[in-house]
Order: sequence, then C-alpha cells, then structure tokens
Amino acid sequence: QKEVEQNSGPLSVPEGAIASLNCTYSDRVSQSFFWYRQYSGKSPELIMSIYSNGDKEDGRFTAQLNKASQYVSLLIRDSQPSDSATYLCAVNMNRDDKIIFGKGTRLHILP
Amino acid sequence: GAGVSQSPRYKVAKRGQDVALRCDPISGHVSLFWYQQALGQGPEFLTYFQNEAQLDKSGLPSDRFFAERPEGSVSTLKIQRTQQEDSAVYLCASSPRRDLNTEAFFGQGTRLTVV
Repeated sequence: QKEVEQNSGPLSVPEGAIASLNCTYSDRVSQSFFWYRQYSGKSPELIMSIYSNGDKEDGRFTAQLNKASQYVSLLIRDSQPSDSATYLCAVNMNRDDKIIFGKGTRLHILP
Repeated sequence: GAGVSQSPRYKVAKRGQDVALRCDPISGHVSLFWYQQALGQGPEFLTYFQNEAQLDKSGLPSDRFFAERPEGSVSTLKIQRTQQEDSAVYLCASSPRRDLNTEAFFGQGTRLTVV
C-alpha cells in the first residue's frame, strides 16, 4: 500500500457545486495533514492544514480528518473555474520526520 | 528573501553531464526538503535536512544523486552522470520548525531536461 493515496481523476464538477477530494494514508501515527494546490507548471501552494479529528473551515474550503479511518478530505464549496488545478494531499510521517505527497487529483471545474 | 528561491529555473543537460541545483530557503527555516516531480505525478520525496544534518536520504534514486547543506542554509542537489530518466522538476521546500507540524513552503522548482 502506498503511503498516501489519492484518486488521480480527472474530477469534473460544475461551477457552483461542491468538489470533494479524498485521501487515505497508511501510517497510523501521522499527526499533520496538508492540502496543496498546484497549477500546471507552477509549484505547490498550501491551502489547508489540519491536525486534529473533525472539520476545519477556511472560506470556501473545508478539510476533514478521520484518524481512525486514516482518511482526510477537502471540500470546495461554490466551485469556481479558477479552482481547476491538481490538489495534492500531504502527510507528515512523524516516524520518519518527512512530508510525503500523494500523486494528486486533477480537478476540472466546468463553466 | 521573501520565499524559497531555486536556481536555475531551467537546465538542459547532455546525458552524462553533471548538474548542480541550488535552493535558498526562507531565512531561519530549519527544515529543508528536496522532491522530484515527474510530469503528471505528485512530488516524490528525495531527501530532508534539519539545519546542516541530512536526516533522511532514503528517496534518492541512486548513488548519482547527492545533496548537501553545509551551513544549514543554502542547499545543493547534485546529479552526476545525468540520465534521461532524471528529467523532471526538482522542487525544494523549507519549513520553519523542527517538529515539522507546520507546512512546507515551495520554491518555483528547477526543470531539468536531459537530452
């Protein structure tokens, strides 16, 4: 099992709808979880971090963490065409002190 | 500087040539990471420093890859005898804290093309 897994997509969502991106991780002791957005040809930029079970909201973005299920998700409300990008899930593997990325999910918002 | 700076932005190397990629992290950041990103893939971990100590180099794909951070600030990733499969974007990231419970900030990357 890969350490951080994401569906590669593409995930197509109509403008204004909710986009739901999912990620699972293998290391139970992981404590820190991040969602990065990466536009084509650009470097990843952080959009959300989450450290405890439950939901964390920031504007149109909500991160959800369930450590028992080793699952983290990102919801984007009122999706905009500018949200079209690749979304990378990243997990701090505490046992190794390194941040591991999933392969990313390509999101396409349909105007 | 305000952000993580990498140079060069683009590098074309002939197969067999040695290359050196530079990363200037955000001032004061303790942790520094190198990642390799192939087209259409997520960043793959290469190596990680805390200050000048290289704590993990498990992701380096071969002994042709070498990284250093001698003074705990600027880091260099060196690739010897480059091969076509080394073509990728090399991303550097830094993080302010030792415990890594903070996000990593990325540079713009170096796109390496081996011909």
